[in-house]
Amino acid sequence: QLQESGPGLVKPSETLSLTCPVTGASLTSNNFYWGWIRQSPGKGLEWIGSIYYSGSVYYNPSLKSRVTISVDSSKNQFSLRLTSVTAADTAVYFCARGERLGMTVVAYFDIWGPGVQVVVSS
Amino acid sequence: EIVLTQSPGTLSASPGDRATLSCRASQSIGNNLAWYQQKPGQAPRLLIHGAFTRATGVPARFSGSESGTEFTLTISSLQSEDFAVYFCQFYNEWPPALTFGGGTKVDI
Repeated sequence: QLQESGPGLVKPSETLSLTCPVTGASLTSNNFYWGWIRQSPGKGLEWIGSIYYSGSVYYNPSLKSRVTISVDSSKNQFSLRLTSVTAADTAVYFCARGERLGMTVVAYFDIWGPGVQVVVSS
Repeated sequence: EIVLTQSPGTLSASPGDRATLSCRASQSIGNNLAWYQQKPGQAPRLLIHGAFTRATGVPARFSGSESGTEFTLTISSLQSEDFAVYFCQFYNEWPPALTFGGGTKVDI
């Protein structure tokens, strides 16, 4: 199971930080990747990025300059940092798991957290 | 950049009806397409991957098909629990990239 955790309100220009503890499975398998997706009324569903335990990380080019995704194996969780947020970053943020498909390093997500609403406002 | 266009925006149907949802890709994407179902206040649920393959536990009334750049999700006989929003999603082999369609709402 996945469960997003973090503040629901972030001020403009500050950094959004979310964590996703994983229960019932280990992050250390390289058969799986872990990712963040967000959903807003204006932009719909948007992939933010994904990471393997090995450290390989892939970002949406449109967000790459502001995003960091990392894994903490000691806590069996992964995290998202999004810097310099604006109102356009207001969304429901989901963490999710996917399974590697041969040469396709990031494909679909088969397990999702319930999502957390994040509002960017002063 | 691949753009996925879903139609119709809203599909009004009744229990027992057959529902056909479309997802058109702006260029060839092979079979790199997934379908999700999302109910209000919930996360998306994976239904189909590889354009045709049902995910674990998905009922057989859900099926996926492909014709060139047009992909279809068919629900053979709508059940009450199927009224939801459906999204398609493209995944690129390399470089990694994922894009979602805008969704089709199936309502009563």
